[in-house]
Amino acid sequence: DTEVTQTPKHLVMGMTNKKSLKCEQHMGHRAMYWYKQKAKKPPELMFVYSYEKLSINESVPSRFSPECPNSSLLNLHLHALQPEDSALYLCASSQEGGDWPYGYTFGSGTRLTVV
Amino acid sequence: ILNVEQSPQSLHVQEGDSTNFTCSFPSSNFYALHWYRWETAKSPEALFVMTLNGDEKKKGRISATLNTKEGYSYLYIKGSQPEDSATYLCAFHYGGATNKLIFGTGTLLAVQP
Repeated sequence: DTEVTQTPKHLVMGMTNKKSLKCEQHMGHRAMYWYKQKAKKPPELMFVYSYEKLSINESVPSRFSPECPNSSLLNLHLHALQPEDSALYLCASSQEGGDWPYGYTFGSGTRLTVV
Repeated sequence: ILNVEQSPQSLHVQEGDSTNFTCSFPSSNFYALHWYRWETAKSPEALFVMTLNGDEKKKGRISATLNTKEGYSYLYIKGSQPEDSATYLCAFHYGGATNKLIFGTGTLLAVQP
């Protein structure tokens, strides 16, 4: 299995809702990432997990809460989002150690709309 | 603020044309330079990860060069095909913090048959 799987592909949520984005990989990668991409902008790093521990938080508002329950799974919990949080959320993974650096393997993203 | 610039923003070529794009990045705190291809409705796909000044990498008809001293990388596509149509993203791998990629805005390539 050489894929990163993201669910759902599309999500529409209200500003008072709580929802979660899910990302899964079975390549044995020990680094996992959340990126956010708004239209016509480059992907922006949100969070990095390394060996299931949060290693980078790019000053992301607390209404976004990441979780890495095991080495294959990465979640992004969403609560009280704003319409400006509407974007494509990309998950990625990569190997760690050895002949670092490695290319990332990306999922196809979750298109989030906040209404 | 670390800026990664790509040019041109978009490019329309005919099948069979060869083309190239540029990625400019900071020349300090360099760790690596990544190139990705992103087709519409698919996942970004890693093409190259380059670390050494003067490095050249090739994958089929696509190749890339790296100049870390002046802070630029070129991506070349020889004999473009319609299936090469995609957005090509470069990403600067920041040496100050492991696992931190800063992406450029991409070059959108459209190859017409």
